[in-house]
Amino acid sequence: SQKIEQNSEALNIQEGKTATLTCNYTNYSPAYLQWYRQDPGRGPVFLLLIRENEKEKRKERLKVTFDTTLKQSLFHITASQPADSATYLCAPDNYGQNFVFGPGTRLSVLP
Amino acid sequence: DSGVTQTPKHLITATGQRVTLRCSPRSGDLSVYWYQQSLDQGLQFLIQYYNGEERAKGNILERFSAQQFPDLHSELNLSSLELGDSALYFCASSGSGGGRVEQYFGPGTRLTVT
Repeated sequence: SQKIEQNSEALNIQEGKTATLTCNYTNYSPAYLQWYRQDPGRGPVFLLLIRENEKEKRKERLKVTFDTTLKQSLFHITASQPADSATYLCAPDNYGQNFVFGPGTRLSVLP
Repeated sequence: DSGVTQTPKHLITATGQRVTLRCSPRSGDLSVYWYQQSLDQGLQFLIQYYNGEERAKGNILERFSAQQFPDLHSELNLSSLELGDSALYFCASSGSGGGRVEQYFGPGTRLTVT
């Protein structure tokens, strides 16, 4: 069955450092992979989408990589700030069908 | 503000009861998705509708049903409620065109079953 794993349940880093979150998937061949941010009690917010033929995507301080051979995506936040503290969800997608989210990684950026 | 609205914001009801959650997608979006998120649990995909038709089904219980109306708003009906159905229920929409598949989530309905 399809499975999505995110590297750790929680990640603490110091302000200004780069946070790196990992998303691994199995029994999947996603055409896209998306990353979302979720704050407590609120709906997820779309951040970035990367396609299977793209190796890397950037948006401001965010960078996502997608390795279809390793079946892995890395999500980086550079120059992290306390406001970046949230849960980050990855979502390997298969042409919009059966949309499944990973369990999430709770990031805490310490001042 | 994502443009997706959900009502009600909070709902408290007793076991065995039936409730209806309502979602209005972003203007122009044809797809509506429903998700359940229990306390400290991940997002569980329930069902997707596209332009009024069921498109995909996840782990949706038989006690739950949904529909999408001609004006594209959607309702999720939960019946014979159990304590374990207490959760945040999110609606999301997508499909404004351009081939993008990102979803825009509403603020959620918090359901408490007592």
